[in-house]
Amino acid sequence: EVQLLESGGHLVQPGGSLSLSCAASGFTFSTYAMTWVRQAPGKGLEWVSAISGGGDRTYYADSVQGRFTVSRDNSENTLHLHMTSLRAEDTAVYYCAFSVRGIVDSYFDHWGQGTLVTVSS
Amino acid sequence: DIVMTQSPDSLTVSLGERATITCNSSQGVFYNLNNENSVAWYQKRPGHPPKLLIYWASIRESGVPDRFTGSGSGTDFTLTISSLQPEDVAVYYCHQYYSTPHTFGQGTRVEI
Repeated sequence: EVQLLESGGHLVQPGGSLSLSCAASGFTFSTYAMTWVRQAPGKGLEWVSAISGGGDRTYYADSVQGRFTVSRDNSENTLHLHMTSLRAEDTAVYYCAFSVRGIVDSYFDHWGQGTLVTVSS
Repeated sequence: DIVMTQSPDSLTVSLGERATITCNSSQGVFYNLNNENSVAWYQKRPGHPPKLLIYWASIRESGVPDRFTGSGSGTDFTLTISSLQPEDVAVYYCHQYYSTPHTFGQGTRVEI
């Protein structure tokens, strides 16, 4: 059974940093591109970042470019999102997701349960 | 970036009646390799992750009730719930995966 389990969500002060993880199981992790999607309280879904299966290609939304870094450890079946210079508008539930098609530009048929990041003083 | 615009923002429908949500993309999302449009629809309930309903604009995901139908072409797409059930109360989002950055519509809240 495919499972995605996010962790690392926390309360952090504006300007601070935080790292999220997504532990994957039930599929051959290294052959699938992975994506982070977030939802701010009371707002819609926002695509944040994606990474190819091998980790050699990364993609970012303009809103996080230069502040967030996506990476993966295929030996540990884990996806990471390192967030710096956090702002109040980064407050959201962060989901990891992927498509059985394995590529970045695809629909998402598998999602984690999400982890909450709160940026506030 | 491709902008996805949904309408309406919210919709109140009686039990058993039809709900129709539209989504317009600011540019075409036609994928030449399979002649399909790169549009998906998700259902989002509070406290749950998004659930894929429709992909390639009209293909129903396995296990999704057949009262959910996706259609459309060009830049205009539609999600129809043919006979609204209590468990369909949720927010629905369209999603273009034609190119990065992917973008979602702003969401349509469906209530009874």
